[in-house]
Amino acid sequence: DAKTTQPPSMDCAEGRAANLPCNHSTISGNEYVYWYRQIHSQGPQYIIHGLKNNETNEMASLIITEDRKSSTLILPHATLRDTAVYYCIVRVAFNRDDKIIFGKGTRLHILP
Amino acid sequence: KAGVTQTPRYLIKTRGQQVTLSCSPISGHRSVSWYQQTPGQGLQFLFEYFSETQRNKGNFPGRFSGRQFSNSRSEMNVSTLELGDSALYLCASSITGQATLKAKNIQYFGAGTRLSVL
Repeated sequence: DAKTTQPPSMDCAEGRAANLPCNHSTISGNEYVYWYRQIHSQGPQYIIHGLKNNETNEMASLIITEDRKSSTLILPHATLRDTAVYYCIVRVAFNRDDKIIFGKGTRLHILP
Repeated sequence: KAGVTQTPRYLIKTRGQQVTLSCSPISGHRSVSWYQQTPGQGLQFLFEYFSETQRNKGNFPGRFSGRQFSNSRSEMNVSTLELGDSALYLCASSITGQATLKAKNIQYFGAGTRLSVL
């Protein structure tokens, strides 16, 4: 079973910041939080990952709470192309096991 | 750098037939994983290959099998197709096995093969 809980869907106005929450209360000390997204009928795309510090890249920012039991993915200026299903995943970063357990994710609708 | 390539993109088969799907990983990646995606079950892990060996396996029947070649390319086979096998089959590659601080176990997915079983 997936180790994360996400809301099934969210709406966000175009141009606004989209904040996608994720709960991972049973996360282990050596597990990272990864985010992927899947645009309709395409393969999932890696967005960002982090351990305990906040992370930012050209796509998004990741805010992880101090107790690491939850996190938020932030898309700073959402566009219509950001409409997708967003998956929050916890897994070990340096591991021989490449298996990803996907949950149901959050379907993000960007509204024009 | 070319991404993960899956062929064919679309496939139509009938019940009882078998099918072979192909995946070419990103150059330098040695791990290839396969996933099945259906509206009802979502994304489910099928199996993973590394250095021509199956390293991990999900909960799928023996009709689903795979292999990996010395150049890391992988194939997935489904025998005796059932209607419920209709799905998007996704392949992902990663640099695992040579994991570095930079790589950090990121999987890169192909566009998938959409299989329809009639």
